[in-house]
Amino acid sequence: DVKVTQSSRYLVKRTGEKVFLECVQDMDHENMFWYRQDPGLGLRLIYFSYDVKMKEKGDIPEGYSVSREKKERFSLILESASTNQTSMYLCASSLSAASGNTIYFGEGSWLTVV
Amino acid sequence: RKEVEQDPGPFNVPEGATVAFNCTYSNSASQSFFWYRQDCRKEPKLLMSVYSSGNEDGRFTAQLNRASQYISLLIRDSKLSDSATYLCVVRNNFNKFYFGSGTKLNVKP
Repeated sequence: DVKVTQSSRYLVKRTGEKVFLECVQDMDHENMFWYRQDPGLGLRLIYFSYDVKMKEKGDIPEGYSVSREKKERFSLILESASTNQTSMYLCASSLSAASGNTIYFGEGSWLTVV
Repeated sequence: RKEVEQDPGPFNVPEGATVAFNCTYSNSASQSFFWYRQDCRKEPKLLMSVYSSGNEDGRFTAQLNRASQYISLLIRDSKLSDSATYLCVVRNNFNKFYFGSGTKLNVKP
């Protein structure tokens, strides 16, 4: 089975802090994604990466950056956390090409910014 | 316009009922289609892929209509354990996935 692991499940951070959310996948997937999910807004794509050191902005990249130094690891960085970044963050991965490839999610990281 | 649109529900149905969800997508070049299930405060998990010819997995049947750009999910003989939010998911030709906001299903005893 594909395993996507988000090491930090529940975090409480202060406004202005720098926050790192780590994600590791064990299936050699090329693509990795960071989403946030908020009530009534569904899943919104923050950033995705289709290869090591490659990244592309999603729909809501403002206030976030990412790092992908190794294929299996994709980190989301909140440079200066703000209260409107309180949310559930979901990391995901998928294979490239070939139709039918699905996306697999980690268990989520619940971030509260106070 | 949203890439994927779903009726948010909730759909409140008794056990044993048949319930159907639809979703529409805007990009005619979309490549792959899926239904995911998400339980409260959990991550989305793949329920089933959706193929042009339609496909069935036990009590679940999925259909794709490319001409009208909609996807459907039919659940027969609903169980209490089917209560969840069902997400319609579309993958485009650049490997990006788009999610509907989800349809909430409550199955009542």
